[in-house]
Amino acid sequence: SAVISQKPSRDICQRGTSLTIQCQVDSQVTMMFWYRQQPGQSLTLIATANQGSEATYESGFVIDKFPISRPNLTFSTLTVSNMSPEDSSIYLCSARGTPRESSYNEQFFGPGTRLTVL
Amino acid sequence: AQSVSQHNHHVILSEAASLEWGCNYSYGGTVNLFWYVQYPGQHLQLLLKYFSGDPLVKGIKGFEAEFIKSKFSFNLRKPSVQWSDTAEYFCAVNPGYSSASKIIFGSGTRLSIRP
Repeated sequence: SAVISQKPSRDICQRGTSLTIQCQVDSQVTMMFWYRQQPGQSLTLIATANQGSEATYESGFVIDKFPISRPNLTFSTLTVSNMSPEDSSIYLCSARGTPRESSYNEQFFGPGTRLTVL
Repeated sequence: AQSVSQHNHHVILSEAASLEWGCNYSYGGTVNLFWYVQYPGQHLQLLLKYFSGDPLVKGIKGFEAEFIKSKFSFNLRKPSVQWSDTAEYFCAVNPGYSSASKIIFGSGTRLSIRP
């Protein structure tokens, strides 16, 4: 299994500013993902963070708003740009193991970053 | 598009009552199936999973789920719930046609336990 940490755990930000969320995995993983979980709702996939190439975004999410970096196999960042109150949510980092591991098809989740935009 | 449907949004049970929830998905090929749990203030944890083999799978804390391929379902069960089972439960499906395929989550079921 993989242990995932995120920083910050929570933040309160002003409208129009940007916040970068960091995600660190304790082992090398093949795939990393970023999700959003709005209050009382399920998880919505924002994008798949690809190592060494541009992230793959889901419908409704764009790179200019949610730029993602993945410089290596254990780390990724998500930036929420030009924030508005509608961006208030929990942002979750997730990872899937390497193909050689029996847990490859399992997905592990970080504790989340609770973002409030005023 | 693939989707995952959970039939119960908020369930209130008394302690020791039995639990059974439906989860249906809309994908016709090979799938990997999951139930995740999110306890209050905690992050998502894997409750149980089905990849292949015996369609009745057992997870942590006495939970089990049955995969019925003909019904595209993966229903969650527990014979006797406890107060500590208070949480949000998410069904999730990973279409197994590609190692790069993403996991799709259902809308979640919130379980509240009456003491």
